[in-house]
Amino acid sequence: EPEVTQTPSHQVTQMGQEVILRCVPISNHLYFYWYRQILGQKVEFLVSFYNNEISEKSEIFDDQFSVERPDGSNFTLKIRSTKLEDSAMYFCASSYDRNNEQFFGPGTRLTVL
Amino acid sequence: KNEVEQSPQNLTAQEGEFITINCSYSVGISALHWLQQHPGGGIVSLFMLSSGKKKHGRLIATINIQEKHSSLHITASHPRDSAVYICAASQGGSEKLVFGKGTKLTVNP
Repeated sequence: EPEVTQTPSHQVTQMGQEVILRCVPISNHLYFYWYRQILGQKVEFLVSFYNNEISEKSEIFDDQFSVERPDGSNFTLKIRSTKLEDSAMYFCASSYDRNNEQFFGPGTRLTVL
Repeated sequence: KNEVEQSPQNLTAQEGEFITINCSYSVGISALHWLQQHPGGGIVSLFMLSSGKKKHGRLIATINIQEKHSSLHITASHPRDSAVYICAASQGGSEKLVFGKGTKLTVNP
């Protein structure tokens, strides 16, 4: 069964460093998403991406965040200058259509020291 | 702004019991999602529904659009059902999901 994959599973970085989180969505899906979950809190929407551009973003998704689909398979989230409060689990998801079920990856746990 | 509320926050049951988890939302939605989050953190989509009822195995999800309320039922619960169950809502014209805080279910043998 096709699945969304994410790498790495755990990333540890120093405050101020740049990190890139990688996702491979399901191959025939057209909509891609990033969500984050701070430990003990609810999952929060960051951004959605369609047709090679951001279609919607939340207030959390400020200038330090960017997303890219550098080739036909990968979907990346870049955090330019990490802060302690960026420590969270980051989930990638994809769906065939905007009104379809979203399939989630296993997550990347980001720890900022 | 759509708010999604779940109850109860925590639920402990004995194996075999019938489980109900509730979700309410504050504004009109295009779809309601039920998700399962395992102890390791991974999220699995269980249901997406916009009206009526859906069933998959021992899981049943219902939604009442007029009352802005959805329920997830688990029949004949089993210890492997232990997880956090999350409801999330999407509004028309938006792909964004708004999540509830989740219900932590523990099923004891």
